[in-house]
Amino acid sequence: DVKVTQSSRYLVKRTGEKVFLECVQDMDHENMFWYRQDPGLGLRLIYFSYDVKMKEKGDIPEGYSVSREKKERFSLILESASTNQTSMYLCASSLAGPNNQPQHFGDGTRLSIL
Amino acid sequence: QKEVEQDPGPLSVPEGAIVSLNCTYSNSAFQYFMWYRQYSRKGPELLMYTYSSGNKEDGRFTAQVDKSSKYISLFIRDSQPSDSATYLCAMSVTGGFKTIFGAGTRLFVKA
Repeated sequence: DVKVTQSSRYLVKRTGEKVFLECVQDMDHENMFWYRQDPGLGLRLIYFSYDVKMKEKGDIPEGYSVSREKKERFSLILESASTNQTSMYLCASSLAGPNNQPQHFGDGTRLSIL
Repeated sequence: QKEVEQDPGPLSVPEGAIVSLNCTYSNSAFQYFMWYRQYSRKGPELLMYTYSSGNKEDGRFTAQVDKSSKYISLFIRDSQPSDSATYLCAMSVTGGFKTIFGAGTRLFVKA
């Protein structure tokens, strides 16, 4: 079974702090993704990566950056946290290939910015 | 108009009922269709994954895709209280990285 592990289940930070969310997958997947999930808005893609050191913006990248130094690890960085970034953050991974492979998710990090 | 529309519910049914969950979409290029189940305070878990049109069955779950109507369904037979969760539909185009998710339907199965 695919295992996607997010480092924290719950996190409370203050406005203006730099926040790091970490994600590790153990199935050698090429693709990794960061989403935020908000009531009524569903999952919105922040960034994704299809290879080490490669990244692409998703639908809502403003205020975020990412880092992928190793294949199994994908980090999301909030450069200067703001209250509107309070949300559930979900990391996912998938295999690459000609047939779109489904994404597998971690259990999420519920982030509160005070 | 959103690319994928899904009724948020909540949908409440008695134990043992047949549940029908649905999504409509606007992009005729979608070829891959998925259903995820998400329990409270957990991440989405892949339930069903299908390519193009047709039906796929897995135990009590059946996924149906009707590309001509741009409509997908998930049927749950003999529903159980443990099926109470939010169900997300998702879809993608061939060769694309992005998966588009519905907002989810919240299901309650009462014992």
